[in-house]
Amino acid sequence: GENVEQHPSTLSVQEGDSAVIKCTYSDSASNYFPWYKQELGKRPQLIIDIRSNVGEKKDQRIAVTLNKTAKHFSLHITETQPEDSAVYFCAANQAGTALIFGKGTTLSVSS
Amino acid sequence: SAVISQKPSRDICQRGTSLTIQCQVDSQVTMMFWYRQQPGQSLTLIATANQGSEATYESGFVIDKFPISRPNLTFSTLTVSNMSPEDSSIYLCSLGTSAYEQYFGPGTRLTVT
Repeated sequence: GENVEQHPSTLSVQEGDSAVIKCTYSDSASNYFPWYKQELGKRPQLIIDIRSNVGEKKDQRIAVTLNKTAKHFSLHITETQPEDSAVYFCAANQAGTALIFGKGTTLSVSS
Repeated sequence: SAVISQKPSRDICQRGTSLTIQCQVDSQVTMMFWYRQQPGQSLTLIATANQGSEATYESGFVIDKFPISRPNLTFSTLTVSNMSPEDSSIYLCSLGTSAYEQYFGPGTRLTVT
């Protein structure tokens, strides 16, 4: 089955800096790669995703890149703000099946 | 997007008892899943809730401990049976309205004493 590794487990940046979180997956059949943001005490929220037929996707300050050959994908947050502080989870699946999640990255943005 | 509700939002239960968690969606969905999130941890898939048939469980989770029902395309229940303190977690239902995007319910925070 699918296995998703996520790094780093914690990340501290200054406001305005960029943050990058990286994930690798094991199942070459996976074709959908979402990212979730979870604030303390709240449910995970889908913030961006990428499908295997696309190499990069951007939405304002966040972007995701996918390298199918290397089986890794990354989340990039530019111009970080204190409200970006949260736990971020990457996930992978074959479309229509359950998501398998990485262990999460705790991002802290200090002002 | 679909509105997802879970009941109860939280509960404190004694060991040896059972709790049934309900997940309700305001529209019909094809995919529905149950996850567990232990304190400070990631999301672990318990099972896929199949409409009209038995759920498909992940390794480490069994039907006797976590029976699941899904009588229709808008509703599912997860029961945590014969609870122990190790079952203290947040339990979340997740659903997909398309083949791709999946969304989570608000979760049920369970504490077993």
